[in-house]
Amino acid sequence: EAGVVQSPRYKIIEKKQPVAFWCNPISGHNTLYWYLQNLGQGPELLIRYENEEAVDDSQLPKDRFSAERLKGVDSTLKIQPAELGDSAVYLCASSLQGSAGELFFGEGSRLTVL
Amino acid sequence: AQTVTQSQPEMSVQEAETVTLSCTYDTSESDYYLFWYKQPPSRQMILVIRQEAYKQQNATENRFSVNFQKAAKSFSLKISDSQLGDAAMYFCAGGTASKLTFGTGTRLQVTL
Repeated sequence: EAGVVQSPRYKIIEKKQPVAFWCNPISGHNTLYWYLQNLGQGPELLIRYENEEAVDDSQLPKDRFSAERLKGVDSTLKIQPAELGDSAVYLCASSLQGSAGELFFGEGSRLTVL
Repeated sequence: AQTVTQSQPEMSVQEAETVTLSCTYDTSESDYYLFWYKQPPSRQMILVIRQEAYKQQNATENRFSVNFQKAAKSFSLKISDSQLGDAAMYFCAGGTASKLTFGTGTRLQVTL
């Protein structure tokens, strides 16, 4: 069974440029998460989807970040415009609803903003 | 509110020896779960072990076991017979089925 797939693995952009990250969760997992992981830190939740509905986006900086999960499968996280402080790893995870919190993570997308 | 604290930024263990990673937490939830996740250098985080807070019995998974002290809000991970492949970042996490809070991680080195 394929795991959570993310792309791109690495992205380097100039500040003020836009960037987008894509995630394909494990088949059948209706819950999808985007986490931010700064260097030397644990993941922090940005947004959680149940199917296509964003049920927790309280930590998503909505002035520059946006996310969508059309059709309740793949998801895209966008930053526009990117700032230097956005340099981090963006992790996508998925889970079965009611799976008691067990998350399956992708390998992450490492963003460097110059 | 939930907080998870890992006070050991780095730990080292010799191959075949035993090591314990510490974690404390605080939560206002009555029903919650605790986890240890492993993140090797490739960055894909994988679940090591899970504990339901309502269970008194400590969870075990082969060489991995936890010491869950609910009253003390402590959740340590013991790795027995350490192997080179155990070298990674280990994150403690806790919360409900819908929201987990992660600690800052402990980097485990395994030496020959």
